[in-house]
Amino acid sequence: EAGVVQSPRYKIIEKKQPVAFWCNPISGHNTLYWYRQNLGQGPELLIRYENEEAVDDSQLPKDRFSAERLKGVDSTLKIQPAELGDSAVYLCASSLDGGLNTEAFFGQGTRLTVV
Amino acid sequence: AQKITQTQPGMFVQEKEAVTLDCTYDTSDPSYGLFWYKQPSSGEMIFLIYQGSYDQQNATEGRYSLNFQKARKSANLVISASQLGDSAMYFCAMREDFTGNQFYFGTGTSLTVIP
Repeated sequence: EAGVVQSPRYKIIEKKQPVAFWCNPISGHNTLYWYRQNLGQGPELLIRYENEEAVDDSQLPKDRFSAERLKGVDSTLKIQPAELGDSAVYLCASSLDGGLNTEAFFGQGTRLTVV
Repeated sequence: AQKITQTQPGMFVQEKEAVTLDCTYDTSDPSYGLFWYKQPSSGEMIFLIYQGSYDQQNATEGRYSLNFQKARKSANLVISASQLGDSAMYFCAMREDFTGNQFYFGTGTSLTVIP
């Protein structure tokens, strides 16, 4: 069974440019998460979807970040315009549901460098 | 306040020896779940073990066991018979009912297994 697939793996952009990340979760997983992981830190939640509905986006910087999960499957996270402080690894994860004891499966992440 | 605290930035262990990675958590929710993930240099977060707040026994998964001390709010990971492939970052995480079951991660512990 394929795991969570993210692309691209690496991205280098100049500040003020837009960037988009794509995530294909595990088939059948209703819950999808986007996390940001700064160097030397643990992942921090940006947004969580239950099917196509964003149920927790309280930590998403909405002035420059946007996300969508059309048809409740693939998801895209966009930053426009990017800032130097956005350099981080962006992790996508999925789980069967949002249950308390349900583990999340993570993709390999997209390492973003803003110069 | 931090929900998950990992106080050991780096740990070293001799191959074939056991090692304990510390994790303390903070919640007032009686219903929560505790997870450990491994993140090798490739970047993917790999689920290792889960402990529910109502579980009476400590969780075990192969060489991994979780030393769950509820009164102390600690959930330490014990890795027995360390292998070179265990060298990675290890993250403790928690989900709680209060906050809609999002994952809270600690800052991680870097484990190096010495041959």
